[in-house]
Amino acid sequence: DAGITQSPRHKVTETGTPVTLRCHQTENHRYMYWYRQDPGHGLRLIHYSYGVKDTDKGEVSDGYSVSRSKTEDFLLTLESATSSQTSVYFCAISGGEDEKLFFGSGTQLSVL
Amino acid sequence: EDQVTQSPEALRLQEGESSSLNCSYTVSGLRGLFWYRQDPGKGPEFLFTLYSAGEEKEKERLKATLTKKESFLHITAPKPEDSATYLCAVQDSRLTFGEGTQLTVNP
Repeated sequence: DAGITQSPRHKVTETGTPVTLRCHQTENHRYMYWYRQDPGHGLRLIHYSYGVKDTDKGEVSDGYSVSRSKTEDFLLTLESATSSQTSVYFCAISGGEDEKLFFGSGTQLSVL
Repeated sequence: EDQVTQSPEALRLQEGESSSLNCSYTVSGLRGLFWYRQDPGKGPEFLFTLYSAGEEKEKERLKATLTKKESFLHITAPKPEDSATYLCAVQDSRLTFGEGTQLTVNP
């Protein structure tokens, strides 16, 4: 398995609270991604990073921010969680822009 | 707008009963088509990348093929351990995932 660790694995929070999800990799891959997976939708890209402090928006970025201060860590923050952000969040890494992705095990987030 | 449609949504097979999963796509300039396998409670796991029409890739009981409009994932003599959701994704300027086909193989 690719060395990707997501934390926490499960989280329940209340509407309006801030939440931070962490992704840690040991593969030294340049690209890191945050996806969400919901029934009725394919995996949808939230934000991605192509290097330390280099990030860009994906197709569903509203309400989310990211930071990457080190190659191995990519943080996803929900500034003020809403019920529509209840989802399974996956971190992924790749060595290049068009290359295959390696996924973490996911974080199940419930916003009540 | 890029579109990826997978069919069927769900498929039940008996062990040994071969079948195919379909991924139809519409993209402006295909740079790659990916197949992933996803087990319950886990992240997707990479299976294949196809780059051009006519290309085929094989791994154990799985074979992926590609045309200009669709890709097929052929499963030959499946076993219960092949039960999973199979995801297709196409890459042009961005990566777009289909919703997946949930495959169940009964012993």
